[in-house]
Amino acid sequence: EDKVVQSPLSLVVHEGDTVTLNCSYEVTNFRSLLWYKQEKKAPTFLFMLTSSGIEKKSGRLSSILDKKELFSILNITATQTGDSAIYLCAVGSGNTGKLIFGQGTTLQVKP
Amino acid sequence: EAGVAQSPRYKIIEKRQSVAFWCNPISGHATLYWYQQILGQGPKLLIQFQNNGVVDDSQLPKDRFSAERLKGVDSTLKIQPAKLEDSAVYLCASSIRPGLKTYEQYFGPGTRLTVT
Repeated sequence: EDKVVQSPLSLVVHEGDTVTLNCSYEVTNFRSLLWYKQEKKAPTFLFMLTSSGIEKKSGRLSSILDKKELFSILNITATQTGDSAIYLCAVGSGNTGKLIFGQGTTLQVKP
Repeated sequence: EAGVAQSPRYKIIEKRQSVAFWCNPISGHATLYWYQQILGQGPKLLIQFQNNGVVDDSQLPKDRFSAERLKGVDSTLKIQPAKLEDSAVYLCASSIRPGLKTYEQYFGPGTRLTVT
């Protein structure tokens, strides 16, 4: 059975800290790995990764994929209270666009 | 560009009642998805449409859930009759095909359903 596992499930840090969120997967017919940020509403797209070892970066967020070890990490540097959210990892499988989501990591950034 | 629209935003019903959710995807997005997100879990795909045809409904509880996408644009998801365990947020998403871009799904605000 396909599965995506995120760790830790929850995390509390202070502003300015750096955090690393983990996502491991066992999915047949892997096509891509995506990160989403979910606040009190819809998940919003952050990154899509398809190739190992190539870092994607957007401001203070960055992510990398290791297709040999079947995991990805999402780094957030100099965290701000606005980074408080649930971060979802999803794996694209097959050719239809199907996404399999992990359970999410809840990040709380304290002032 | 307008995002994915969903209504209603919140719904409270009693068990055994029926409920319907509506979704309007981003203009030009051929693929539409309905997800169920139970508190503390990631979204789980219920059904995927490509234009007005069903691509994947393997995880849709067909004895009580139904969905349609007439004319390949708007979609409705219905639950009849509802059970307590259906309490969740129902998310609609859409994406462009073909190619890898299809995995970039854009989500609506969701409908929070509470079944009492």
